[in-house]
Amino acid sequence: AQSVSQHNHHVILSEAASLELGCNYSYGGTVNLFWYVQYPGQHLQLLLKYFSGDPLVKGIKGFEAEFIKSKFSFNLRKPSVQWSDTAEYFCAVYTGTASKLTFGTGTRLQVTL
Amino acid sequence: DTGVSQDPRHKITKRGQNVTFRCDPISEHNRLYWYRQTLGQGPEFLTYFQNEAQLEKSRLLSDRFSAERPKGSFSTLEIQRTEQGDSAMYLCASSLRQPQETQYFGPGTRLLVL
Repeated sequence: AQSVSQHNHHVILSEAASLELGCNYSYGGTVNLFWYVQYPGQHLQLLLKYFSGDPLVKGIKGFEAEFIKSKFSFNLRKPSVQWSDTAEYFCAVYTGTASKLTFGTGTRLQVTL
Repeated sequence: DTGVSQDPRHKITKRGQNVTFRCDPISEHNRLYWYRQTLGQGPEFLTYFQNEAQLEKSRLLSDRFSAERPKGSFSTLEIQRTEQGDSAMYLCASSLRQPQETQYFGPGTRLLVL
């Protein structure tokens, strides 16, 4: 069965710092990859997704992620975080063998002023 | 707003009681999913429907759990004889026909079993 690992459980950054959140998945076949964000008090929202093509995908609010197939990774990046980026970030994988998303445990990002 | 809606948003119940949650998906979406999220974890898949047909159920879905989507529109998730371990956030999501299409999530129903 597929699984997703997010090794950073809690990240604290100052505003304007660069961000990279790790995501690794275990599945040998074709995958679709997602990053969702959950702002305090709000529901899960799609940040970006990878289905095929260019492995560097851009999402909302200046976020991007790079799919590296050889490393089974889909790390999330942002060059300069803002206080409003404080949220929990979830990586998820869809494999097609089961009609569901498999999520990682999430990374809580806290951005300080 | 035409997003996914869930009702109620919060539910407190006593152990042994039955509870039912409702999910209204985005209107043109024919796939509907239920997930459960506990503190410090990502959402875990429970079950999904394509139109009115329940096509997959997780092993997490014990016999006390039942889900329906009678007319292929809204769905209900019922938990019978609730246990304290059922306390969690229950999330509903919907997507278009293609299985890899993006799933859009509702705000969730937070259940507390005393």
